[in-house]
Amino acid sequence: DIVMTQSPDSLAVSLGERATINCKSSQTILSTSKNKHYLAWYQKKPGQPPKLLIYWASTRESGVPDRFSGSGSGTDFTLTISSLQAEDVAIYYCQQYYSPPPWTFGQGTEVEIK
Amino acid sequence: EVQLVQSGAELKKPGESLKISCKGSGYTFPKYWIAWVRQMPGKGLEWMGIIYPDDSDTRYSPSFQGQVTISVDKSINTAYLQWSRLKASDTAIYYCARPNMVSTLGAFDIWGQGTMVTVS
Repeated sequence: DIVMTQSPDSLAVSLGERATINCKSSQTILSTSKNKHYLAWYQKKPGQPPKLLIYWASTRESGVPDRFSGSGSGTDFTLTISSLQAEDVAIYYCQQYYSPPPWTFGQGTEVEIK
Repeated sequence: EVQLVQSGAELKKPGESLKISCKGSGYTFPKYWIAWVRQMPGKGLEWMGIIYPDDSDTRYSPSFQGQVTISVDKSINTAYLQWSRLKASDTAIYYCARPNMVSTLGAFDIWGQGTMVTVS
């Protein structure tokens, strides 16, 4: 199975400041035929289902604020919140969906306000 | 509106059986995979398995193979997750989710509201 490792486990950022979350896969999740990385980012708030933010490592889901961006290649990926807002307090998960299953999640990164 | 609606919370005893459901609407249900994801209390998300309603092709995470059964009834646009003998460690919230691409695998853009299963 592909193991996804996120860092840090938690971070505290001041309102309006940048938050950066890293995700590393234990093997490549790049489809050479499609030239796409099979990597998604989700936001999880208590009492709510996960919300898709980013897919193909850098494609923002419709309706997601543009302060959220994804980047990376190979086995190292990053979710950046450019200017943290109060409503961004949540746990963030990366997930690989590179065939075959299982499509594993990272352990999660908790973002809070400093 | 595209949505997945899950069955309600369950309180069961160890050793009992259980089947929870996930009903899709607003899209061509047979043509999109449906996945199940577990979140134990205070823990992260775990991918359990996935089923393609059109032909019932099912894949399990090794961690859940033999522990649960995923099934589907495409005539009523509903996927299921079932246990034959529950354990206290099955206490969790279970989500169903749909990928954002038809007939293939992808990131999950549509999620059910979650079903809380308590085994005690």
